[in-house]
This record gives sequence, structure tokens and C-alpha cells, in this order.
Amino acid sequence: KQEVTQIPAALSVPEGENLVLNCSFTDSAIYNLQWFRQDPGKGLTSLLLIQSSQREQTSGRLNASLDKSSGRSTLYIAASQPGDSATYLCAGFGNEKLTFGTGTRLTIIP
Amino acid sequence: KAGVTQTPRYLIKTRGQQVTLSCSPISGHRSVSWYQQTPGQGLQFLFEYFSETQRNKGNFPGRFSGRQFSNSRSEMNVSTLELGDSALYLCASSLAWRGTEQYFGPGTRLTVT
Repeated sequence: KQEVTQIPAALSVPEGENLVLNCSFTDSAIYNLQWFRQDPGKGLTSLLLIQSSQREQTSGRLNASLDKSSGRSTLYIAASQPGDSATYLCAGFGNEKLTFGTGTRLTIIP
Repeated sequence: KAGVTQTPRYLIKTRGQQVTLSCSPISGHRSVSWYQQTPGQGLQFLFEYFSETQRNKGNFPGRFSGRQFSNSRSEMNVSTLELGDSALYLCASSLAWRGTEQYFGPGTRLTVT
């Protein structure tokens, strides 16, 4: 059974800093991995999708990497802004379904 | 292109009642998945439909059911509601059913009293 863990559960950093969010999964046979953000009371916004044949994806200030052998993915956010404050979720697709991590609540301090 | 839409956005029901939630996927997307989100359990997979067929199902009781129509719109039904069914129900659409990028709707907030 796939289990996805995100550490830390919460993170506060000053505006302008670079930061890394971590995601660990137990089953390396994942098909792909997707990162989302969720604002309070809202749905999920897709940030990046990394296919199993890829090792990383970039979109603007965001960069996500995937290392299937170690069961880890990281989301790097450069030059953080207050608008980046949200909960970030990673999800691995395997066994014909998407399994979500518990999320990291990120607060950017102006 | 319009995003995933879900109706209604908010719903209050009484224990024992049933409820139907609706999801319209992004135009051209044929796969629809449903998830339940609660503070205690996080996001849990309910089921996925592709071309009107249920492709996969999560570990939920038979009170939770769904269907997909020929236009890819999907409905989810919960019968005999329990207090523990109070949650945010999220629908996601994707082009195909095997792990393509998922796009989520705003969710339906269900409160059972």
C-alpha cells in the first residue's frame, strides 16, 4: 500500500527566501508525481507533474524533482512571496489511483 | 477553456438523508475522479470513471456510489448520510485514466447534522 509523507507539516519563512518542501513515498513503482497547492477552503491547483521517465520539471519560480530509487520528491520555491502562502500537497499515481501526502502548510512572512 | 465545475458548492443535510453531487470536467477530458477531504484523514480517493465505466474504487462503504454520463459529466451519490460524511468532496478531471495530469474543481462542502 502506497504511503506518502510530507515533512515538515508546517513551515514559516521570511519573504524572499528560497525554500524546499519534501515528499516521501513508500512504493517506488509510481507512474508519476504531481504537486498541488490548496488555499483555505478551496480546491487544489496543479503546480507541476513529473512523469516517471522524468527527473524534474520547472515552472517559473518552482522546480520539482523526482527520485524514484530513494522514494523522494522535492519542490523548490525560489524568492518566496506572501502569495505563496498555502498548503502544498504531493500525490503519487500508482496502483491505478492517486495517493496524497498530508501536506505542508507554508506561511511566507512579509 | 473553462475549468472543472462542481455543484452545489455548499450543502447541509440531516443524518439518514441522501445527497447527489455533480461534477463537469474540462472540455475534452474523459476521466473524472472523486476524493473526500477531511481534517483527520486528509485526501482520500473515492473512485474514478472513464468512458462511463468505473475504473477504480477506494476503500469506502457501498453507500458511496457514482456514475458518469456520455458527455463525461459525473455524479456522486451518498445514501444514508452519517455525521462522519461531513467533508469537502473534490472532483478532478484528466484527459485519460492512467495517471495524466489531474485538474481539480472547487469542491462541494457537505455538512451532515
